[in-house]
Amino acid sequence: QVQLVQSGAEVIKPGASVRVSCKASQYTFTNYDINWVRQATGQGLEWMGRTNPKIGDTAFAQKFQGRVTMTSNTTISTAYMELTSLKSDDTAVYYCARGRRFWSGYYLDIWGQGTPVTVSS
Amino acid sequence: DIQVTQSPPSLSASVGDRVTMTCRASQDINSYLNWYQQRPGKAPKLLFYSASSAPSGVPSRFSGGGSGTEYTLTISNLQPEDLATYYCQQTYSPSPGFTFGQGTRVEIK
Repeated sequence: QVQLVQSGAEVIKPGASVRVSCKASQYTFTNYDINWVRQATGQGLEWMGRTNPKIGDTAFAQKFQGRVTMTSNTTISTAYMELTSLKSDDTAVYYCARGRRFWSGYYLDIWGQGTPVTVSS
Repeated sequence: DIQVTQSPPSLSASVGDRVTMTCRASQDINSYLNWYQQRPGKAPKLLFYSASSAPSGVPSRFSGGGSGTEYTLTISNLQPEDLATYYCQQTYSPSPGFTFGQGTRVEIK
């Protein structure tokens, strides 16, 4: 079935970077965006940004500008999110989600299982 | 910047009850409003897009509506499996981002 499978949990030291992968299957990877959303423990959902794998354009939430990179490898249908200069409040579960655009909207219809990232010395 | 505010933050109701939650945007978002259900320990799941359109498989007891700046999600005949947090998201403007509401937590009495 259509799915997104993410890489495993990470423990990262403050100041370092993390890269999370998101592998798509059973759909044409280049026909949809990939969005990234994070959720700290007990908190709400926070949209980080999106990328279009076909043309490589990106859009980021202002909060993450300069600290996040979103890329794709279309040959293996995999998207990547890298976050740099990690701090303790970056500890969260990071989700990728397929973004679908149509004439009257945009929505996230398929979600990965989430990747826990813990920032700790 | 478009702000999205959900209310109430939480609610408790009995099986079979009808519950309604609201999402208000700081400006007209032209029904670019989605609803997601997140059960405990799980990834979010799309419930409605464009305010009132449901993907296949969403039970008919869920309904979405609204326009302009105010939107609602209603669950009629509440079931135990509806225990979850429900989030709205505006996708009208990507700047500063496709913001989510703070969520409404639904508990079963």
